[in-house]
Amino acid sequence: DVVMTQSPLSLPVTLGQPASISCRSSQSLVHSNGITYLHWVQQRPGQSPRRLIYRVSNRDSGVPDRFSGSGSGTDFTLKISRVEAEDVGVYYCMQSTHWPPYTFGQGTKLEIK
Amino acid sequence: EVQLVESGGDLVQPGGSLRLSCVASGFTFSSCPMHWARQRPGKGLEWVSRINNEGRSATYADSVKGRFTISRDNAKNTVYLQMHSLGVDDTAVYYCVRDCSGPDHWGQGTLVTVSS
Repeated sequence: DVVMTQSPLSLPVTLGQPASISCRSSQSLVHSNGITYLHWVQQRPGQSPRRLIYRVSNRDSGVPDRFSGSGSGTDFTLKISRVEAEDVGVYYCMQSTHWPPYTFGQGTKLEIK
Repeated sequence: EVQLVESGGDLVQPGGSLRLSCVASGFTFSSCPMHWARQRPGKGLEWVSRINNEGRSATYADSVKGRFTISRDNAKNTVYLQMHSLGVDDTAVYYCVRDCSGPDHWGQGTLVTVSS
């Protein structure tokens, strides 16, 4: 199984400041078709998960452009350019390149400092 | 608007069975694979099972293999999760997840509590 490792696990951020979350996979997430199936999911307190970013760097519909994804191979990053109060929650990376199983990182809890 | 509405969660005794349902709307259900995922209390996300769009192929996490069965009825826009031999470790919120372009839309979840 592909192990996904996120850091940090806790991320206190001042409003208006940038934030960055790292996600590393135990093996390359490049599929044989050349596509990298690495996604980012946000879970606000008391809500169900919502996908933000798909295939490394593509924002889902309605996702603010302050969110961006980057990376390749085994090393990926989610960045928030200026954190807003509504960004509080837990962020997960997940891979769907090598399945089953689909696997998630442990989650990074973003809070306002 | 895409909607996934799960139901069927309940309190069940260890060793018991339960069937979850997820009714989908707002998209062409028969075109998309579907998943179940879960989240134990205070914990992270865990993938449980996937079924292809026709309902002919299913895969499972090792933790549920042989105990859970995923199925779908495309005429009813519904995906199911039949769960047997439930244990306390199965206590979780269970989410239905659409996979039209990768796992892309999650339902609101249904709570399964396994306890005596």
